[in-house]
Amino acid sequence: GAVVSQHPSRVICKSGTSVKIECRSLDFQATTMFWYRQFPKQSLMLMATSNEGSKATYEQGVEKDKFLINHASLTLSTLTVTSAHPEDSSFYICSARRGWRRGHGYTFGSGTRLTVV
Amino acid sequence: DQQVKQNSPSLSVQEGRISILNCDYTNSMFDYFLWYKKYPAEGPTFLISISSIKDKNEDGRFTVFLNKSAKHLSLHIVPSQPGDSAVYFCAASTTNSGGSNYKLTFGKGTLLTVNP
Repeated sequence: GAVVSQHPSRVICKSGTSVKIECRSLDFQATTMFWYRQFPKQSLMLMATSNEGSKATYEQGVEKDKFLINHASLTLSTLTVTSAHPEDSSFYICSARRGWRRGHGYTFGSGTRLTVV
Repeated sequence: DQQVKQNSPSLSVQEGRISILNCDYTNSMFDYFLWYKKYPAEGPTFLISISSIKDKNEDGRFTVFLNKSAKHLSLHIVPSQPGDSAVYFCAASTTNSGGSNYKLTFGKGTLLTVNP
């Protein structure tokens, strides 16, 4: 089955530093990758959508200069949280989608718990 | 504005009984619905989906029912097993959501606990 590997699973960083989170589709080519953020007891909030080789599309209210998304290949997308602050502490999850038809599923990574101190 | 609502934050059922998880939506443009199961510190895993042209889809112990007029869907798990204990998310998308990207809109989730 489709597997998406997300690293790191947990990271603690100092305020003001940047953190990069990787999302890889291991056995399929992901035409689209999505990045979500989840606060405790809240739903997964879509941050941005990226297609390989093109700029990411950010959701309203998400700072594109703060959350840099790169989708350089069909199997790798990265999210970089720049100049992280404590309020950026959250659970970040990526999702990869195969193909273009509605029936193709979305496979999620295992998530990254970011703590900014 | 929450377009997908799961009004029950938690549900507790006995092993062997039926679990019914509910989901309501407000956007009439949604035409594809999915249910995901999520364990703590893990990403969601896909369970079952349904297109708006259907009112029922079944896969083993899992059945999803869709009532378009009421903008309501439900996930039935029968018989429930302790291993089903997890957070269940309802998600929806529209044909016109992000063009061919089909963005998903999630509910807040319902924590299901199946007691032995």
